[in-house]
Amino acid sequence: ETGVTQTPRHLVMGMTNKKSLKCEQHLGHNAMYWYKQSAKKPLELMFVYSLEERVENNSVPSRFSPECPNSSHLFLHLHTLQPEDSALYLCASSQVVHPSSYNEQFFGPGTRLTVL
Amino acid sequence: GESVGLHLPTLSVQEGDNSIINCAYSNSASDYFIWYKQESGKGPQFIIDIRSNMDKRQGQRVTVLLNKTVKHLSLQIAATQPGDSAVYFCAERDDKIIFGKGTRLHILP
Repeated sequence: ETGVTQTPRHLVMGMTNKKSLKCEQHLGHNAMYWYKQSAKKPLELMFVYSLEERVENNSVPSRFSPECPNSSHLFLHLHTLQPEDSALYLCASSQVVHPSSYNEQFFGPGTRLTVL
Repeated sequence: GESVGLHLPTLSVQEGDNSIINCAYSNSASDYFIWYKQESGKGPQFIIDIRSNMDKRQGQRVTVLLNKTVKHLSLQIAATQPGDSAVYFCAERDDKIIFGKGTRLHILP
């Protein structure tokens, strides 16, 4: 596989369930990102990992828990979600060359999450 | 409030015509701007970028214009094709990337 892959592509879960979203990048990048994309709203950055360390957490509720075991894999653990958490969750990766420079992000296809 | 936004939620263009998608931003400190294309069922895809010290940049069939005086960014697509159907959104960077909502481009046969 090439690029950024995400599994599952679709997920339906109840508010009491625990599930995990998986992202894998095959680009040799050293930074990975989780975004939330809701209908009629801009992309919202949730978490950023650079060199496997979390460098950004944009006031995301604790019911979302990220994990980055290595530079190629990123997880988003979900528990006790709310219906308003239903959205497309996008993973992206980039090569961080310099902290102040923008590094093109390559996005995965996303996981469409529905919380009942 | 939202820092980056687009003027129109939907744009319909005849196949073969040129498309112009607009974006307004409010942060004059932003130094980098990016256009993304998102097709149905896919993640956003980088199209073209421009730094704040430039006012125009061209790619293959696409041109980005930056007017810092009025804080306006536009994406021009030449000879629009059916494959250009997608949602296009801009993003700006100051200390972080902020994305706009998006404009859906419809191609009319």
